[in-house]
Amino acid sequence: EDQVTQSPEALRLQEGESSSLNCSYTVSGLRGLFWYRQDPGKGPEFLFTLYSAGEEKEKERLKATLTKKESFLHITAPKPEDSATYLCAVQAGTGNQFYFGTGTSLTVIP
Amino acid sequence: NAGVTQTPKFQVLKTGQSMTLQCAQDMNHEYMSWYRQDPGMGLRLIHYSVGAGITDQGEVPNGYNVSRSTTEDFPLRLLSAAPSQTSVYFCASWSTPGSPLHFGNGTRLTVT
Repeated sequence: EDQVTQSPEALRLQEGESSSLNCSYTVSGLRGLFWYRQDPGKGPEFLFTLYSAGEEKEKERLKATLTKKESFLHITAPKPEDSATYLCAVQAGTGNQFYFGTGTSLTVIP
Repeated sequence: NAGVTQTPKFQVLKTGQSMTLQCAQDMNHEYMSWYRQDPGMGLRLIHYSVGAGITDQGEVPNGYNVSRSTTEDFPLRLLSAAPSQTSVYFCASWSTPGSPLHFGNGTRLTVT
């Protein structure tokens, strides 16, 4: 069964304290792995797509990496405005469905 | 460019009532889907469509109907609302397999 697991469920960081979020997956025929940011009361906002093991993408303080079994979202020197829930999703097989993890709730304390 | 637009933003229903959640996208995406988001459960797929006139069930389809008469619109119908359908509903679209989902801002539904 296709599955996506995110850890930790919640993470509290001091401003400037770097860390990583994990997304592990078990799917057949990966078409893409996607990271989203979700703010309270809003829809998920697309951040990155990764397609193959070894690929990396960066945007400001965020860097996403992909291996054959997991992806990491590295947050370097976070700021309070980085506080949000970060969701991981994979698309596999025919590409008609996405499978989501339950997210990591990140709080960055000034 | 509005992207994916959902209406209404909030809705309260009594058990047994019916309603339609509206979703429209202006990106000419072939693929559209409906998710519900519940605490601790993540986003779960209700129904999806791979083009006008073509729909299929997702993980949690019971109690919901969809149709896709145009590329732009993908309404979700609750036939007889139940308290278990209290949730936040998100509509999303994407252009091709391998491309990311684009989400609307959701409808928060409460069934009493």
